[in-house]
Amino acid sequence: EDQVTQSPEALRLQEGESSSLNCSYTVSGLRGLFWYRQDPGKGPEFLFTLYSAGEEKEKERLKATLTKKESFLHITAPKPEDSATYLCAVPHGGSQGNLIFGKGTKLSVKP
Amino acid sequence: DTGVSQDPRHKITKRGQNVTFRCDPISEHNRLYWYRQTLGQGPEFLTYFQNEAQLEKSRLLSDRFSAERPKGSFSTLEIQRTEQGDSAMYLCASSFSTGNQPQHFGDGTRLSIL
Repeated sequence: EDQVTQSPEALRLQEGESSSLNCSYTVSGLRGLFWYRQDPGKGPEFLFTLYSAGEEKEKERLKATLTKKESFLHITAPKPEDSATYLCAVPHGGSQGNLIFGKGTKLSVKP
Repeated sequence: DTGVSQDPRHKITKRGQNVTFRCDPISEHNRLYWYRQTLGQGPEFLTYFQNEAQLEKSRLLSDRFSAERPKGSFSTLEIQRTEQGDSAMYLCASSFSTGNQPQHFGDGTRLSIL
């Protein structure tokens, strides 16, 4: 069964304290892994797509990496405005449109 | 560039009533998706369209749910005879159909059933 698991569920950091979020996936035939950021009361905002093991993408303080079993979202020197829930998703193995999401990691960055 | 637009943002209704939500996708996108999200969970897929055609429906989409995209532009999601368990955020997303393009989400309609 296709599945996405994210850890930790919640993460509290001090401003400037770097860390990583994990996304483990099980899917038949990976056709991309997507990272999103979601603020309270808003829809998910697209961050990155990763297509193959070894690929890396960067945007400001965020860097996403991909292996054959998991993806990491590394946050370097975070700021309070990075506080949000980070979601990862993969396309369902037998579908063209069905994204399977993890439950997300709620990140809080304190000044 | 306008993003995905959803209306209304909030809907409060009594159990048993029918409700309808509207989604206007990014104009260049030919795929449109509906998801449902409850507190502490990631979005769950409901259905998607490519142009006017509804290509996939989740088992979550009971007979009380119906979605349309009559002219391949905006879409509506209707829930008939609402139940307490229908309370959730209903999210719409759109994308191009080539390859595995990222889906871009609207800010959702929050449905509360009294």
